[in-house]
Amino acid sequence: ETGVTQTPRHLVMGMTNKKSLKCEQHLGHNAMYWYKQSAKKPLELMFVYSLEERVENNSVPSRFSPECPNSSHLFLHLHTLQPEDSALYLCASSLHNTGELFFGEGSRLTVL
Amino acid sequence: AQSVTQPDIHITVSEGASLELRCNYSYGATPYLFWYVQSPGQGLQLLLKYFSGDTLVQGIKGFEAEFKRSQSSFNLRKPSVHWSDAAEYFCAVGISGNTPLVFGKGTRLSVIA
Repeated sequence: ETGVTQTPRHLVMGMTNKKSLKCEQHLGHNAMYWYKQSAKKPLELMFVYSLEERVENNSVPSRFSPECPNSSHLFLHLHTLQPEDSALYLCASSLHNTGELFFGEGSRLTVL
Repeated sequence: AQSVTQPDIHITVSEGASLELRCNYSYGATPYLFWYVQSPGQGLQLLLKYFSGDTLVQGIKGFEAEFKRSQSSFNLRKPSVHWSDAAEYFCAVGISGNTPLVFGKGTRLSVIA
C-alpha cells in the first residue's frame, strides 16, 4: 500500500471539460509535488508546494491550476486542456529537508 | 545547475545475467543520489539512495549502487536479473533537501528468457 494516493487513476476528458486530480499523502510530509510524464519525454516538474505554499511553478500553462489546502492534500484543477496534455500525472511528497520523494501511482489523463 | 545523464535509453539482458545501469551527474559538490524504478502504468518506487558514508549502497530487490566521486557516477547493479525486473529505471540527483530532485531521462530494461 502506497503512502501517497492519487485519484482518479484514469480520466478521459474533452477539451471543454473541467476536472480535478486529487492527491493525498499519509506520511506526515510537508512538501508535495506534481510531475507530468509524457511518452518518450523526461519527467517534468510542474508545481512544488512546501508547507502549503507554492514554491515552484515551472512555466506551466494556466489551464493547469494547483491547490494545496493542507499538507496532506494536493489538487490539480484542469480546464480547457489540449490533446498534448494527455499524460501520466504523478504526485509526490517529501519531508522538507531530505529530498527523497515518495510517489503515488499516477493519474492517466487522456484529452480528446 | 545540476544535471543527470543516463546514457542508455534501452537495455536488454537475459534472465539470470548481471546488470549495470549507468548514471552520471554534473554538480560541483557531492549531491544526494537516488535510483527509482517504474513499472508500466505505475508510479516511481525508490530502490536506493546515497547521502554520505559508504559509497556502496544496498537497496531493495537485490539492487546495489556505487558512488564514484572521481567519475561523477552512481551506477546501479544487480548480479542476477529476474523477469520481474523489466521496468523503467530513473536516476535522480538532489543538491540539498530544499530543492526538487533532477531526474535523468530513464533507462528501459527488457528481460528475455
